[in-house]
Amino acid sequence: AQTVTQSQPEMSVQEAETVTLSCTYDTSESDYYLFWYKQPPSRQMILVIRQEAYKQQNATENRFSVNFQKAAKSFSLKISDSQLGDAAMYFCAYRSVRAAGNKLTFGGGTRVLVKP
Amino acid sequence: EAGVTQFPSHSVIEKGQTVTLRCDPISGHDNLYWYRRVMGKEIKFLLHFVKESKQDESGMPNNRFLAERTGGTYSTLKVQPAELEDSGVYFCASSSFPQGAMNEQFFGPGTRLTVL
Repeated sequence: AQTVTQSQPEMSVQEAETVTLSCTYDTSESDYYLFWYKQPPSRQMILVIRQEAYKQQNATENRFSVNFQKAAKSFSLKISDSQLGDAAMYFCAYRSVRAAGNKLTFGGGTRVLVKP
Repeated sequence: EAGVTQFPSHSVIEKGQTVTLRCDPISGHDNLYWYRRVMGKEIKFLLHFVKESKQDESGMPNNRFLAERTGGTYSTLKVQPAELEDSGVYFCASSSFPQGAMNEQFFGPGTRLTVL
């Protein structure tokens, strides 16, 4: 079974600075998808960024980018120019390509605090 | 377009009672998922519907949990009888694409269940 680990329960960043959230996963599959979800306080989870394992190029979405290291099974998220609205819980998630259904396997989450 | 909605947002019940959670997916989404986050741990998959059929219910913890999706529209998750360890946040998600695509799952705000 796949597992996802987020080793940082909480991270703090100064507004306008950069923060990197770590995520590692364990799988025997070669083809899969990885996701970062954001859950602001009292609001629903939204997709921040996604990566297909067969693509070597790291995904970017505006101020959000990932560092995907397939051999190391690492998928970190970098938030650049942090804004107050970035304060939230961030969840890393894995999804198999081949397994039945599209269920997501999540990490434990990292709470990001943004200091003005 | 309305997002995924869940009702109630909070529920407080006593051990042994019954609770029914409801999820309304995005209109037209055939895939509907239930997840839960217990005691600040990882978000865990419970089950997956494709229309009205259960595609994968491998995450259902025991037979006290019953999920239905009559007519392939909204879904209910009943817990009967509720136990203390059932406390947590129950998330519903929906998606439109078939298995294998890097589809996005859209999440509802969750139902926070507290069992006393």
